[in-house]
Amino acid sequence: GQNIDQPTEMTATEGAIVQINCTYQTSGFNGLFWYQQHAGEAPTFLSYNVLDGLEEKGRFSSFLSRSKGYSYLLLKELQMKDSASYLCAVRDIPTDKLIFGTGTRLQVFP
Amino acid sequence: GAVVSQHPSRVICKSGTSVKIECRSLDFQATTMFWYRQFPKQSLMLMATSNEGSKATYEQGVEKDKFLINHASLTLSTLTVTSAHPEDSSFYICSARDGGAETQYFGPGTRLLVL
Repeated sequence: GQNIDQPTEMTATEGAIVQINCTYQTSGFNGLFWYQQHAGEAPTFLSYNVLDGLEEKGRFSSFLSRSKGYSYLLLKELQMKDSASYLCAVRDIPTDKLIFGTGTRLQVFP
Repeated sequence: GAVVSQHPSRVICKSGTSVKIECRSLDFQATTMFWYRQFPKQSLMLMATSNEGSKATYEQGVEKDKFLINHASLTLSTLTVTSAHPEDSSFYICSARDGGAETQYFGPGTRLLVL
């Protein structure tokens, strides 16, 4: 079966660092994506990992370990506008479908 | 990144009517588009994969006769919710993949309310 797990909710303080974990068990794997979704809006692309290691993009970084079925999204220098849901998604083989986790709702407090 | 549009952004309809939602890739050609549904405080659930020039592939539990998908061109896919009922009220989101790219880009979503 397909299973992608993320924490349901997290809280953090403005200026801090937060790590959102994602574990997956899927029949196929062709990349892992992180999306940000603000309430009432569509998801926006944050990062893509297909090889093991860390991908850094400004304040956001994403890590992947394929052998462990594990990824995390690291957000640095948190801002109030980072309050949103963060969705982890695995691309399936051979269908190319994205299989989404339940999402992690992050609240950033002043 | 690539731009995907959806129309309408919001629609309210009476029970029993049909609603058509359009998804367009504005600056790239998308051989494949995906349709998702999202209920409040839940994640995205894939409904179907739309391939240009061929029949859509529906996920298990999604009624193909109720949710009609047409991918008539490389930049347009439509989802028609036929005989809508209140339980069809949801946030419908399409995404498209630029053939040579790895990323799916999402449209802004359509909020459907069936009274």
